[in-house]
Amino acid sequence: DSGVTQTPKHLITATGQRVTLRCSPRSGDLSVYWYQQSLDQGLQFLIQYYNGEERAKGNILERFSAQQFPDLHSELNLSSLELGDSALYFCASSGTGNNEQFFGPGTRLTVL
Amino acid sequence: DAKTTQPPSMDCAEGRAANLPCNHSTISGNEYVYWYRQIHSQGPQYIIHGLKNNETNEMASLIITEDRKSSTLILPHATLRDTAVYYCIVSRYSGAGSYQLTFGKGTKLSVIP
Repeated sequence: DSGVTQTPKHLITATGQRVTLRCSPRSGDLSVYWYQQSLDQGLQFLIQYYNGEERAKGNILERFSAQQFPDLHSELNLSSLELGDSALYFCASSGTGNNEQFFGPGTRLTVL
Repeated sequence: DAKTTQPPSMDCAEGRAANLPCNHSTISGNEYVYWYRQIHSQGPQYIIHGLKNNETNEMASLIITEDRKSSTLILPHATLRDTAVYYCIVSRYSGAGSYQLTFGKGTKLSVIP
């Protein structure tokens, strides 16, 4: 158990819909990272937040957005969903001065 | 961040050492070498990282060549639970616990009974 929690575990929705994925980092970790893992693209970094502020952006689509709240939990919002957005979405957290990222169990999103 | 090259797959007999190579010939001076692994569809798990010295922890050893252009992850006594995809990643630490991981295809290690 990494200490990072993600909800829900599974999500099935239809094209065009909007969903929100939630991540709670390890206690005390200020950085939260979001990753997408699909069969054809592998594991891709999407975005990072540090203490409520966006810190780095990767291959995140404009239809996707994220935020980190004062209690440090983070949400990833995916809108106008397409079939190709079906993937595993992982959240990770890390602490200041710590080179290790701790990954959550992931949310499996299926878009029908 | 520098790119890495790993063999797509490797087999290792249970109880033997597993040596997983990684080439990162374009690594720059302030970039670290990280190793993560992913068992089936679980979240990736940190194994070890290093800058230029060899490193060892309870899970593995990391050997980095003197020119830093390649490294080897060593699992000293592989078990069936070590069957996973192993990712070698080079990344620059940007302070305050911040660095971005760019995952490649990794090496699928199969530990054979």
